[in-house]
Amino acid sequence: ETGVTQTPRHLVMGMTNKKSLKCEQHLGHNAMYWYKQSAKKPLELMFVYSLEERVENNSVPSRFSPECPNSSHLFLHLHTLQPEDSALYLCASSQNPGLAGRTDTQYFGPGTRLTVL
Amino acid sequence: GNSVTQMEGPVTLSEEAFLTINCTYTATGYPSLFWYVQYPGEGLQLLLKATKADDKGSNKGFEATYRKETTSFHLEKGSVQVSDSAVYFCALSPSKEYTGRRALTFGSGTRLQVQP
Repeated sequence: ETGVTQTPRHLVMGMTNKKSLKCEQHLGHNAMYWYKQSAKKPLELMFVYSLEERVENNSVPSRFSPECPNSSHLFLHLHTLQPEDSALYLCASSQNPGLAGRTDTQYFGPGTRLTVL
Repeated sequence: GNSVTQMEGPVTLSEEAFLTINCTYTATGYPSLFWYVQYPGEGLQLLLKATKADDKGSNKGFEATYRKETTSFHLEKGSVQVSDSAVYFCALSPSKEYTGRRALTFGSGTRLQVQP
């Protein structure tokens, strides 16, 4: 499945570094999502963008900063992370029918495995 | 709010055994229900879905039936293979009448290990 791509696939960074994760969807969708998957914890929704507008911020620390320049691209900017931020970061996209509409099927990218030293 | 509860794993089976992974949910109205699968080192892939009561989703020999009366969406497969070893996630998305959180709510995942 190449509908949603993520780069890099693996990233190791120090706590003082600044890095960015990139997600690109080729499905013509209008909504994009960031999830965090930590060991032994359920998937945690971080951010939701619909029509390039952030519509959900699920109490995520400010050291994570999302950016959605257009409906096909989503970034997650990282700075001064902590070791507990080490996780698999998953991007997803869907065709959202509207503010009060049913959320449609989400398609996921392969994820970026982040390790914070 | 919405929630999804899955049976804890790991589930260990021999090849060709019958598989059931239980999933129950709590939600307002009539959500859509999904099963996603995550193979080692990969992201989540949609396995099957059902959008209304009594619908049966099926794919690659897996099936799940949307049971409104028991608020369940159990995953089944008649004969598992080693290649089915993965983590399986049950999820729901809110019904169109629900104007709150619109993203998917996931269960904690169930790891399946199939031995030759």
